[in-house]
Amino acid sequence: GQNIDQPTEMTATEGAIVQINCTYQTSGFNGLFWYQQHAGEAPTFLSYNVLDGLEEKGRFSSFLSRSKGYSYLLLKELQMKDSASYLCAVMDSNYQLIWGAGTKLIIKP
Amino acid sequence: IAGITQAPTSQILAAGRRMTLRCTQDMRHNAMYWYRQDLGLGLRLIHYSNTAGTTGKGEVPDGYSVSRANTDDFPLTLASAVPSQTSVYFCASSEGQGASTDTQYFGPGTRLTVL
Repeated sequence: GQNIDQPTEMTATEGAIVQINCTYQTSGFNGLFWYQQHAGEAPTFLSYNVLDGLEEKGRFSSFLSRSKGYSYLLLKELQMKDSASYLCAVMDSNYQLIWGAGTKLIIKP
Repeated sequence: IAGITQAPTSQILAAGRRMTLRCTQDMRHNAMYWYRQDLGLGLRLIHYSNTAGTTGKGEVPDGYSVSRANTDDFPLTLASAVPSQTSVYFCASSEGQGASTDTQYFGPGTRLTVL
C-alpha cells in the first residue's frame, strides 16, 4: 500500500529552527510537495522536490532523498505566523497526489 | 473571480438529502479535484477530472458523483447524504496533463455537517 508518515505535532520557539520530517512508500515517484495549512483555511503550496538535494526558498527549505524515501521541511527564524499544519504529499506513478496527515506546528514565544 | 471559489462555505444537511457542492476556477486549468479532509487523516481524493468532459474516481468515490461540462466548473453531488460524509471538502485545480511539476491550488473549502 501507499503510505506517507509525518509527526502529528511539533512545538518550537519563535526565532528558532525546526525540521519536519516526511517518509513515504508509494507506487512510483513523480515528485514531493509541501503545503502549509492554517487552521480553517485551504492548503497553500510551499515547495516541490523531484531531484535529490536541498531546495531553498527564503526562510523555508525542503530536502529530498529518493533512495531513502525521505524528505524534510526546514523552517528558519520561526515567526508566530508559521503556526500551522504542514502537509507532505507525493505524486505517484499515476500522477495522483498521496497525502500525509500533516504535522501541526505550534510556535511559542 | 480570482483563483478557485467554492459554495457554500458551510452547510448543515439532513441525512438522506441531496446536496451539490459548487467549485469554479478562472485559471483555465485543465485538471480539477475534489478532496475531503477529516481530523487525523490526510486529504483523500474523491473524484478528479483531467480535462473537460472526463472524470475519474479517486480513493473514496462511493456516495459522490461529479461532472465536468466545461473547463471552469466541477460540481460534487451527494445523492443521499449520510453522517459519515460530514467533513471539510476542498476543490483544487492544476494545469494538469500529468506534468510532474503539476501544482494543485485549493479553494477555501466547504464545511459540511450531515445530521
